[in-house]
Amino acid sequence: EVQLVESGGGLVQPGGSLRLSCAASGFTFSSYWMSWVRQAPGKGLEWVANINQDGSEKYYVDSVMGRFTISRDNAKNSLYLQMNSLRAEDTAVYYCARDPPYFDYWGHGTLVTVSS
Amino acid sequence: DVVMTQSPLSLPVTLGQPASISCRSSQSLVYSDGKTYLNWFQQRPGQSPRRLVYKVSKRDSGVPDRFSGSGSGTDFTLKISRVEAEDVGIYYCMQGTHWPVTFGPGTKVDIK
Repeated sequence: EVQLVESGGGLVQPGGSLRLSCAASGFTFSSYWMSWVRQAPGKGLEWVANINQDGSEKYYVDSVMGRFTISRDNAKNSLYLQMNSLRAEDTAVYYCARDPPYFDYWGHGTLVTVSS
Repeated sequence: DVVMTQSPLSLPVTLGQPASISCRSSQSLVYSDGKTYLNWFQQRPGQSPRRLVYKVSKRDSGVPDRFSGSGSGTDFTLKISRVEAEDVGIYYCMQGTHWPVTFGPGTKVDIK
């Protein structure tokens, strides 16, 4: 069974940093592109970043470019999102999702709240 | 970026009756390989999104056959033949043809 389990969310002050993790199981992690998608409270879905199978290709939505970094460790079956210079508008549930643009499996999400 | 619009944004339905959600894109979603990367997702209250349909009309494993997707080019539709109580939630279309992928605003389906 495919499982994606996010962790690392929490309350952080504006300008602060957080590192999200996504533990994958039930499939050959190293064979798939992976993504982070976020959802602000009461709002819709927004794609944030993609990474290819070996981590050599990374893409970001303009609003996080230069502040967020997506990475992966295939030996640990894990996906990461390093978030720096956080802003109030980054407050959201962050989901990891498999195989963009298909997004066939999603995790349960982890909540990031940016507030003073 | 490709703008995805959905209508209606709110859809009260009667149990057992059909429902239809429209999704339109600001550009054709036909990719250079001839395929159309249009997905539909269901998000039940308090849950993460679940994919129902990919590439316009291919239903995911385990998705009831009362759900069907159709359309082409810039106009797409998700239909529920007979709404059940478990279908309550928000439905999103998403295009993966053009970078960056973009989602529609969502259609909230609830029971009258």
